Amino acid sequence: EVQLVESGGGLVQPGGSLRLSCAASGFTFSTYEMNWVRQAPGEGLEWISYISSSGNIIYYADSVKGRFTISRDNAKKSLYLQMSSLRAEDTAVYYCAGSLGAFNIWGQGTMVTVSS
Amino acid sequence: DIVMTQSPDSLAVSLGERATINCKSSQSVLYSSNNKNYLAWYQQKPGQPPKLLIYWSSIRESGVPDRFSGSGSGTDFTLTISSLQAEDVAVYYCQQHYSTPRTFGGGTKVEIK
Repeated sequence: EVQLVESGGGLVQPGGSLRLSCAASGFTFSTYEMNWVRQAPGEGLEWISYISSSGNIIYYADSVKGRFTISRDNAKKSLYLQMSSLRAEDTAVYYCAGSLGAFNIWGQGTMVTVSS
Repeated sequence: DIVMTQSPDSLAVSLGERATINCKSSQSVLYSSNNKNYLAWYQQKPGQPPKLLIYWSSIRESGVPDRFSGSGSGTDFTLTISSLQAEDVAVYYCQQHYSTPRTFGGGTKVEIK
């Protein structure tokens, strides 16, 4: 079964850090571009970061640039998002999504709440 | 950044009737070298992640019912549900993957009238 499973979400104080993970199975992870997309409560979808299949090309949305770092380990079939200097407005469900152009594969999401 | 504008924000349609959702991009998402529109449509049901329905503006993803169709080119696109079923109640998003940031439209909520 093709699957992406996120983990690492939780409650964190403003200014804090959190590392999200996304474990892939059922498909050839190393051939997929990967993305993080978030969705604030009751809101729409916001793309926040992209990493190429080999990991050598990375992009960020302006809203997270300089605070978040995307990475991947193809040997472990895993994607990561290191988040620092977290703000209340980063509160959202974070999805990892695999893409071959369009976002073909989505995880179930992990909730991140930034609050004191 | 390419801005994606969807209309309407919400739509109530009777069972078996047609639902039409529009999406407009602020710049063309047609890549001239391959004549492909880098435009996708997603369906998101409550409590679930988004699901890819349509890519290259008009190609249905495997397993997607043929009542879903996409059309358009350049900057103007349409998602049509030809005969609305109860299980189609969801929010629908368009997205361009022509350039970064990979922007989404604001979403269209489809309900049963």
